[in-house]
Amino acid sequence: DGGITQSPKYLFRKEGQNVTLSCEQNLNHDAMYWYRQDPGQGLRLIYYSQIVNDFQKGDIAEGYSVSREKKESFPLTVTSAQKNPTAFYLCASSDDRGHGGAHFGPGTRLTVT
Amino acid sequence: AQKVTQAQTEISVVEKEDVTLDCVYETRDTTYYLFWYKQPPSGELVFLIRRNSFDEQNEISGRYSWNFQKSTSSFNFTITASQVVDSAVYFCALAFAGGTSYGKLTFGQGTILTVHP
Repeated sequence: DGGITQSPKYLFRKEGQNVTLSCEQNLNHDAMYWYRQDPGQGLRLIYYSQIVNDFQKGDIAEGYSVSREKKESFPLTVTSAQKNPTAFYLCASSDDRGHGGAHFGPGTRLTVT
Repeated sequence: AQKVTQAQTEISVVEKEDVTLDCVYETRDTTYYLFWYKQPPSGELVFLIRRNSFDEQNEISGRYSWNFQKSTSSFNFTITASQVVDSAVYFCALAFAGGTSYGKLTFGQGTILTVHP
């Protein structure tokens, strides 16, 4: 079955450490996205990529970095510059052929102490 | 700028009651998509419906129905005869339909629905 894989489900880090969240999709979608969700809030776009080796900042890109070396993979690095990194991170993809909307992964819950 | 407002933070109902979740949006785009997603306790977002701005027909899918009114910029979601399994957070979202990143969504803050037995 096609889908999006995010690992791990839960991640714990000490303050000051960079951490990379993985996202892999086998849907053959061109575009991929990272969203952040905080308690009681909607999702906010961090970064997105429409094609390999290209990506764009979303609404809250500060303190994050991404890469898109393969169509299937879009890892997100939460750097030590991110002031409030504890959150639920959701990866998504879309085929961008007029179907609209995004297919989401199961998410990674990051806790930084 | 786009904005989606879900004024109802939490709704609590008893099983078999009907419940309507409100969604109001703002956009300057003439073509756009509207969505509803369900987020159960597991956290994964489940796609429920997509509606193109050109299509104002209401839609029914089983116990779910959606009322899209462009005149009031609203896209409300009704669950008929609610069940405990409907308990989740529901998000309304908006995307520009004229670009190439249809997964670039603007979300509302979500409505927590609790259905009691």
